[in-house]
Amino acid sequence: DTGVSQDPRHKITKRGQNVTFRCDPISEHNRLYWYRQTLGQGPEFLTYFQNEAQLEKSRLLSDRFSAERPKGSFSTLEIQRTEQGDSAMYLCASSAPKGSDRGGGGANVLTFGAGSRLTVL
Amino acid sequence: DQQVKQNSPSLSVQEGRISILNCDYTNSMFDYFLWYKKYPAEGPTFLISISSIKDKNEDGRFTVFLNKSAKHLSLHIVPSQPGDSAVYFCAARPYSGNTPLVFGKGTRLSVIA
Repeated sequence: DTGVSQDPRHKITKRGQNVTFRCDPISEHNRLYWYRQTLGQGPEFLTYFQNEAQLEKSRLLSDRFSAERPKGSFSTLEIQRTEQGDSAMYLCASSAPKGSDRGGGGANVLTFGAGSRLTVL
Repeated sequence: DQQVKQNSPSLSVQEGRISILNCDYTNSMFDYFLWYKKYPAEGPTFLISISSIKDKNEDGRFTVFLNKSAKHLSLHIVPSQPGDSAVYFCAARPYSGNTPLVFGKGTRLSVIA
């Protein structure tokens, strides 16, 4: 397995356009997370899925944002009518089913992708 | 409000010396704490974790100490190497295990040769 893959790595768009990011998690991981990171901040939680069910959404996720994981494998994050404040690194992470986490000592380690950097002009 | 705080934005250490990165938290309902390392243009990578029932966990050059009464944890890197230069994030997991990790803002470590 090659880890968590995100596409595209960089996206430059004009304000008002829609953008979509894709995340392919580690194949045996059933949980998938989206985080956002801006300059000088740590990753901020947006939403997460267990299999195909979206279990939690942050209040950061405005109604212009929508995430899907239709078959419990890859996920997409769409931002409609982008604003300059949406410029950030969008990070995807996945984690193993509870109890099967290896190497994290039970901490349910998240494995992150390299991120998709969005610049809204 | 920020539940996980890393109050030092940056730290410089000489190669071979000890690096100590600090993290404070406000929520008593965290059961695991994790440290992640991030290089530019890469996602954060897991480094080491500690359960709230322990006070120390060691993995090679990396040791994490937890002081529950002070709601404080620290990551020690001994000896520091230039390749350790990165941003280090402290993260915490709520007891339920069903809520995602909460991250601090990070500390940029520079190890000077």
